[in-house]
Amino acid sequence: EVHLVQFGGGLVQPGGSLRLSCAASGFNFNMYWMNWVRQAPGKGLEWVANIHPDGTETIYVDSVKGRFTVSRDNAKKSVDLQMNSLSAEDTGIYYCARVYREVDISDWGQGALVTVSS
Amino acid sequence: DVVMTQSPLSLPVTPGQPASISCRSSQSLVHSDGNTYLNWFHQGPGQSPRRLIYMVSNRDSGVPDRFSASGSGTDFSLKISRVEAEDVGVYYCMQHTHWPHTFGPGTKLEIK
Repeated sequence: EVHLVQFGGGLVQPGGSLRLSCAASGFNFNMYWMNWVRQAPGKGLEWVANIHPDGTETIYVDSVKGRFTVSRDNAKKSVDLQMNSLSAEDTGIYYCARVYREVDISDWGQGALVTVSS
Repeated sequence: DVVMTQSPLSLPVTPGQPASISCRSSQSLVHSDGNTYLNWFHQGPGQSPRRLIYMVSNRDSGVPDRFSASGSGTDFSLKISRVEAEDVGVYYCMQHTHWPHTFGPGTKLEIK
């Protein structure tokens, strides 16, 4: 059974940094793209970033480009999201996910709450 | 970016009755590979999203067959043949064709 278990999250001041982690199990982690999706409080979903199976390729939504970095450790079967220069607009629940568009693969972590506030 | 719109945004339904949600994209979702990558997600209260449908009309594993979907190009729809209590929550369409991938605003289904 596939599991994505998230760690991290919490309260951070504007301009600060936070790192989210996601531990995967139940599939060959090093064969799959991984994703991060976020949801502002009471709002809809926003796709944030993707990372290639070998970590060499990443892509970000414009709103986080240059501030967020996604990385992975295939030996540890984990994917991280490093978030810098945080602002109130980054507040929300962040989901680690594995969602493929052409096959029946859609797995989500439990979410991690990030609150950016002074 | 591709803008996804949905209607209605609120959908009160009596159990056992059908429900339908429409989704429209600001540009065609036909990929250069010829496929159309349109997903439907359900998010129950306090839960992570769960995908119901991929590639317009394909049900994900474990999704009841009372859920069906169709569409092409820029116009899509999700249908629930008989709504059950567990179907409450927010339904999102999402385009997986263009970067950035974008979601619709969500349709909140509630039980009457």
